[in-house]
Amino acid sequence: EAGVAQSPRYKIIEKRQSVAFWCNPISGHATLYWYQQILGQGPKLLIQFQNNGVVDDSQLPKDRFSAERLKGVDSTLKIQPAKLEDSAVYLCASSRPGGTGELFFGEGSRLTVL
Amino acid sequence: AQSVTQLDSHVSVSEGTPVLLRCNYSSSYSPSLFWYVQHPNKGLQLLLKYTSAATLVKGINGFEAEFKKSETSFHLTKPSAHMSDAAEYFCVVSSLNDYKLSFGAGTTVTVRA
Repeated sequence: EAGVAQSPRYKIIEKRQSVAFWCNPISGHATLYWYQQILGQGPKLLIQFQNNGVVDDSQLPKDRFSAERLKGVDSTLKIQPAKLEDSAVYLCASSRPGGTGELFFGEGSRLTVL
Repeated sequence: AQSVTQLDSHVSVSEGTPVLLRCNYSSSYSPSLFWYVQHPNKGLQLLLKYTSAATLVKGINGFEAEFKKSETSFHLTKPSAHMSDAAEYFCVVSSLNDYKLSFGAGTTVTVRA
């Protein structure tokens, strides 16, 4: 089966600019996650979707970050305006319904904010 | 609430020698536990998982881990390290009631020739 697809793989922007990342999960996976991984740290959950509904967005900085999954399939994560501390790898993951919690990860989108 | 502590931020081994990565967890519920590996510029890949079946879990690439409830540990081992094992390893705990995952800070493994 095809894996989790993410784009772009790399993005460099100036602070205060905006950026958007796209994720297409594995077909049939109802749950989709966005994680932020800062260099040297473990991934931190930003938002979790179940189909097109938000399950957990408690750690999403809502003043600048937004995410949507309108049709319950692919998802977009947006940052506007970006700050220097947003430099990180943004990982998308998905899991199958009724699974054991195993996540399938994409290769990530590396953001550098200058 | 649940959390994971990886006891070593960096482990260095010689090729052909055993690898031990230590992980302790806390969880209010019966946990699922995972080890993921991340090679440079790659996404995370599942090595193995424990989901309340056998306490000794075998994974890919010769890795295995043992769930010890009394010690709240889930240490990862491999009898003989290979150069390709150089990567970042994450211990992860999940509760079956909401599938929320908590990641450890990671352990960087370097393998010396």
